[in-house]
Amino acid sequence: QVQLVQSGAEVKKPGASVKVSCKASGYTFTNYEIHWVRQAPGQGLEWMGMINPSGGSTDYAQKFQGRVTMTRDTSTSTVYMNLSSLRSEDTAVYYCAKRGSGSYFDYWGQGTLVAVSS
Amino acid sequence: SYELTQPPSVSVSPGQTASITCSGDKLGDKYASWYQQKPGQSPVLAIFQDTKRPSGIPERFSGSNSGNTATLTISGTQAMDEADYFCQAWDSSTVVFGGGTKVTVL
Repeated sequence: QVQLVQSGAEVKKPGASVKVSCKASGYTFTNYEIHWVRQAPGQGLEWMGMINPSGGSTDYAQKFQGRVTMTRDTSTSTVYMNLSSLRSEDTAVYYCAKRGSGSYFDYWGQGTLVAVSS
Repeated sequence: SYELTQPPSVSVSPGQTASITCSGDKLGDKYASWYQQKPGQSPVLAIFQDTKRPSGIPERFSGSNSGNTATLTISGTQAMDEADYFCQAWDSSTVVFGGGTKVTVL
């Protein structure tokens, strides 16, 4: 069965960086995009960007350009999302999601809470 | 930038029909998807490509999309359907989510 397992919660200080991992299993890793979506406390879903695990190409939401980097390791079927220059407004649950065969996300990770506080 | 607009909340009595709308410019020309999210849980795909249900999603969930509005309909709503619902579409190469609708089963 398809699973996306994310790394554990993080607490960071303003200005620091955080790297969240998402390990995929149960399907051919290189055949489907992985996207990152975040959700601030009590708020909606916000798309951050995506990575194509096949060639490693990325596409980031304009809001996060210059602060976010998505990478992958095909040997371990893992995708990473690095967010730098953290501020309090980045406090959120970060999800990875697998894109299906169309314009939708059919599987989601369990989420990773990133708390930014001085 | 492209926006999707949802009502913040919808209330429904058990056994009745709940309709959740999602509005966006020429949304009918795009595919709409819907996600259900219960407190403390990850989103779950409920409807994709406007009208399709993934395996495991009850038949009482249905979708439509035309003009500027996509609609998620829950027929015979049950207490377990109480959750937040988010619509989603693509605009060029950007993914857009609606603000979410809290469905309360009274």
